[in-house]
Amino acid sequence: KAGVTQTPRYLIKTRGQQVTLSCSPISGHRSVSWYQQTPGQGLQFLFEYFSETQRNKGNFPGRFSGRQFSNSRSEMNVSTLELGDSALYLCASSTGRNSPLHFGNGTRLTVT
Amino acid sequence: AQTVTQSQPEMSVQEAETVTLSCTYDTSESDYYLFWYKQPPSRQMILVIRQEAYKQQNATENRFSVNFQKAAKSFSLKISDSQLGDAAMYFCAYRGPQGGSEKLVFGKGTKLTVNP
Repeated sequence: KAGVTQTPRYLIKTRGQQVTLSCSPISGHRSVSWYQQTPGQGLQFLFEYFSETQRNKGNFPGRFSGRQFSNSRSEMNVSTLELGDSALYLCASSTGRNSPLHFGNGTRLTVT
Repeated sequence: AQTVTQSQPEMSVQEAETVTLSCTYDTSESDYYLFWYKQPPSRQMILVIRQEAYKQQNATENRFSVNFQKAAKSFSLKISDSQLGDAAMYFCAYRGPQGGSEKLVFGKGTKLTVNP
């Protein structure tokens, strides 16, 4: 079974631009979560989606948004990028029934 | 709000020896889940072991075992017969009650070095 796939693996953007990151969950998984990982703040929860509905949201500004499609694939968008948005963005999927989260390899975003 | 604390930023162990990584957490819930994840340089977070709070028996997965002390809110990971491939960042994580959000609260991590 294929794992969680995140694209792209690396991304370089300029301040003020916007970016869209993609996540394809494991087949059959209906829950997708996103996390931001930085050296200073560690791993922080961004959002959680289940069957196209946002189930939970972390403490991030409105510039961070996400969505989930009917095939469970998810995207997250960051608008008006700031230098502090440079981070590893991790996506995780699960069946949504209290099963463990399975993570992808992440997208490394660098904002210059 | 729930918090997870890993007090050891770095640990090292000799190959074939045993090492214990510490984790404490704070919650007012009685039902929850605890996890240890491993993140090698490849960046992918890999589940090492999981513990349900309602289970008194400590979880084990091959060379990995936990010491779960619910009253003390402590959840340490023991790695036996350490191997070079065990070198990675290890994160302790908390998840709330069954039926709720699957949001994980992570500790800051412990970098484990395995010396040959």
